[in-house]
Amino acid sequence: GAVVSQHPSWVICKSGTSVKIECRSLDFQATTMFWYRQFPKQSLMLMATSNEGSKATYEQGVEKDKFLINHASLTLSTLTVTSAHPEDSSFYICSATRGFDRGSGGYTFGSGTRLTVV
Amino acid sequence: GENVEQHPSTLSVQEGDSAVIKCTYSDSASNYFPWYKQELGKGPQLIIDIRSNVGEKKDQRIAVTLNKTAKHFSLHITETQPEDSAVYFCAASIGGTSYGKLTFGQGTILTVHP
Repeated sequence: GAVVSQHPSWVICKSGTSVKIECRSLDFQATTMFWYRQFPKQSLMLMATSNEGSKATYEQGVEKDKFLINHASLTLSTLTVTSAHPEDSSFYICSATRGFDRGSGGYTFGSGTRLTVV
Repeated sequence: GENVEQHPSTLSVQEGDSAVIKCTYSDSASNYFPWYKQELGKGPQLIIDIRSNVGEKKDQRIAVTLNKTAKHFSLHITETQPEDSAVYFCAASIGGTSYGKLTFGQGTILTVHP
């Protein structure tokens, strides 16, 4: 089945530094990858959608200069939280899809990254 | 945009009982409705999904029903077990040759008591 690997699973960083999170589709080529943010006891909120080789589309209210997304290949997307602050502490989750026309598979989610900014 | 409402927010059942979680959606163009189970500290795991050309789908103890006219869909878990305890999310998207973005419901915390 479709597998998405997300790293790191947790990270602690100092305020003002940048953190990069990787999302890889291991056994399929992902036409589209999504990045979500989830606060404790809340639902997943979509931050941005990225397609390989093109700029990411950010949801309203998400700062694109703060949350840099790069989808350099069909198997890798990265999210970089720049100049992180304590309010950026959250659970970040990626998802990848290969599209309906490439067979079933829907959306496959990574295991998430717990970011804590101190 | 799409809006997905999910109820109840918490659900407590005894082992062996059935559990039902309901969702409504607003965009009639949505045609793909997955359900996810999320355990603490992990990403969501797909448990079942349904497309708008189907009214019901079943996989062992889990079933999903869809009413396109009323724009609501439900998750049914029979013979619940303690390991079914988790947070469950419904979602909706407009699929096609490429998947559109998912909109999630608020989540339901299911607790199955032994």
